[in-house]
Amino acid sequence: GDSVTQMEGPVTLSEEAFLTINCTYTATGYPSLFWYVQYPGEGLQLLLKATKADDKGSNKGFEATYRKETTSFHLEKGSVQVSDSAVYFCALSDQGDSSYKLIFGSGTRLLVRP
Amino acid sequence: DTAVSQTPKYLVTQMGNDKSIKCEQNLGHDTMYWYKQDSKKFLKIMFSYNNKELIINETVPNRFSPKSPDKAHLNLHINSLELGDSAVYFCASSRGEITEAFFGQGTRLTVV
Repeated sequence: GDSVTQMEGPVTLSEEAFLTINCTYTATGYPSLFWYVQYPGEGLQLLLKATKADDKGSNKGFEATYRKETTSFHLEKGSVQVSDSAVYFCALSDQGDSSYKLIFGSGTRLLVRP
Repeated sequence: DTAVSQTPKYLVTQMGNDKSIKCEQNLGHDTMYWYKQDSKKFLKIMFSYNNKELIINETVPNRFSPKSPDKAHLNLHINSLELGDSAVYFCASSRGEITEAFFGQGTRLTVV
């Protein structure tokens, strides 16, 4: 079945450091890929998405590129802020019945220190 | 205006009780979902409804019964609560198949 694998956290960075959170996926079809962010005590918010190979999703300085050849969708940000501290989830939706659900990775906690 | 709202936000109850969580969306979406987030933050789909019809039931115990009275509401009723049901439950909605899903704030259920 479909699955998403994320790097384990927590990831601890100093402010203005470069961020990479790795995400790889397994899918039977041609999935859409997402990054969601969960701030403490809140629900999930969509951060960015990509629906086909080589698409780059971007938002709030975060970027991720859909790489079909490596089945990856790594999240990057050039300069993190303390306010970026949160849990980040990579997710996919596939075709058929799987288009009616998101399959999530295990989440990566990011802590940014001043 | 809150796009996807759940009530209550916190729910503490004893084992064996029956409880309900309500969800409403004002986005005009026709697909709604329930997800469960465990203590390690792992998120798993429970149910998907499209136009009030059940699309996905992800091997959830039949103590959990979703009900969709209309496209804007998807409630979750849980019978005979067990300690293992303690988790955060998220409602979400999307327009048809998922291109973007909007999540509620979550309901933290604690069974004691």
